[in-house]
Amino acid sequence: AQKITQTQPGMFVQEKEAVTLDCTYDTSDQSYGLFWYKQPSSGEMIFLIYQGSYDEQNATEGRYSLNFQKARKSANLVISASQLGDSAMYFCAMRASGSARQLTFGSGTQLTVLP
Amino acid sequence: DADVTQTPRNRITKTGKRIMLECSQTKGHDRMYWYRQDPGLGLRLIYYSFDVKDINKGEISDGYSVSRQAQAKFSLSLESAIPNQTALYFCATSMRGYADTQYFGPGTRLTVL
Repeated sequence: AQKITQTQPGMFVQEKEAVTLDCTYDTSDQSYGLFWYKQPSSGEMIFLIYQGSYDEQNATEGRYSLNFQKARKSANLVISASQLGDSAMYFCAMRASGSARQLTFGSGTQLTVLP
Repeated sequence: DADVTQTPRNRITKTGKRIMLECSQTKGHDRMYWYRQDPGLGLRLIYYSFDVKDINKGEISDGYSVSRQAQAKFSLSLESAIPNQTALYFCATSMRGYADTQYFGPGTRLTVL
């Protein structure tokens, strides 16, 4: 079974600062994918970034980067130069190999960016 | 226009009523999913479909049924709604491939009284 753990229920960051949101995962599969989604207060789920288990380089998408440490089974999201619009709930998710292809989600981290 | 649309966006219904939530997509994806989100929690998979003739149960399928009417349409039904089905429901789509990234619709907020 797959499990995602996000240990930070809430985080605060000053505008223009960088912030790291933690995510650890547990799987016995060798092939898997890790995702981060953003859920603003309006409710939609917005895809941010993807990292495959065989990708040698950390994924980056604009201000988002994924700090992937395979041996430690961690996939932390780094947001650089935080903006007020980054205030939202952030979910880490994993999709393991196999036919289900379902996403297993963590419980989320509520990020608040302070002016 | 949004790539993944859900109707209705909000719905209040009574215990025992049948209700259908609809999802349409213009992304050309072959795979579609239904999730529910309860307050303070992540999403849990209800059903998924890899193509029109393929329907699979997810983690929490009891009390739900689905229909894949076309590649672009995937509907979720609650045959006899109960209060603990009050939740935010998301449809998602993906394309078979390396990342198989799932893209979500705006969600349907369902309240069962």
